[in-house]
Amino acid sequence: TQLLEQSPQFLSIQEGENLTVYCNSSSVFSSLQWYRQEPGEGPVLLVTVVTGGEVKKLKRLTFQFGDARKDSSLHITAAQPGDTGLYLCAGARDGGSQGNLIFGKGTKLSVKP
Amino acid sequence: DTGVSQNPRHKITKRGQNVTFRCDPISEHNRLYWYRQTLGQGPEFLTYFQNEAQLEKSRLLSDRFSAERPKGSFSTLEIQRTEQGDSAMYLCASSPWHLDYGYTFGSGTRLTVV
Repeated sequence: TQLLEQSPQFLSIQEGENLTVYCNSSSVFSSLQWYRQEPGEGPVLLVTVVTGGEVKKLKRLTFQFGDARKDSSLHITAAQPGDTGLYLCAGARDGGSQGNLIFGKGTKLSVKP
Repeated sequence: DTGVSQNPRHKITKRGQNVTFRCDPISEHNRLYWYRQTLGQGPEFLTYFQNEAQLEKSRLLSDRFSAERPKGSFSTLEIQRTEQGDSAMYLCASSPWHLDYGYTFGSGTRLTVV
């Protein structure tokens, strides 16, 4: 059973377009994190959201945590080729003071110039 | 501190051989995690340490896999009698005491079993 479902699995767009990727679960998480991974490298943390309804912005990236803390979204405005990569969401349970992060399968984004 | 370091970056081994990977975490982080990632999948949890104590192991971690973190510093992951299904990227990550701070991952070790 996949605890965190990400959609879409693949996304290919032109430079300048906007996009949204989703991370959904039936479980409640104490926090959700978003990572970006490039081929042959480890994932790199982009943001952590901890409060239901929270919105965080990182330049052209906007992250939202659902009110019930079961889902999150990542919106990219005016995508650029440098945004290409695998976007992973990861959830922490049990208050975050123990255990490990659970990862989704990721959304593979390709931005063409 | 230069981040999380993993060695080797790539390993090709014959089926049945043993392999060992090393991870050097960020020195201030007391938690260390091992994950496995196959093509098109997200990282799958294998095991984690808090200081030198191994606190959790996944069901994915068969008895051919063993991990250690002597003295709470670097960690090693050993796979005995490798199988082709063990081919994957093995990722190490470290974090401070609370998961909300997030992980810092190494670049991974790509294992190919032929």
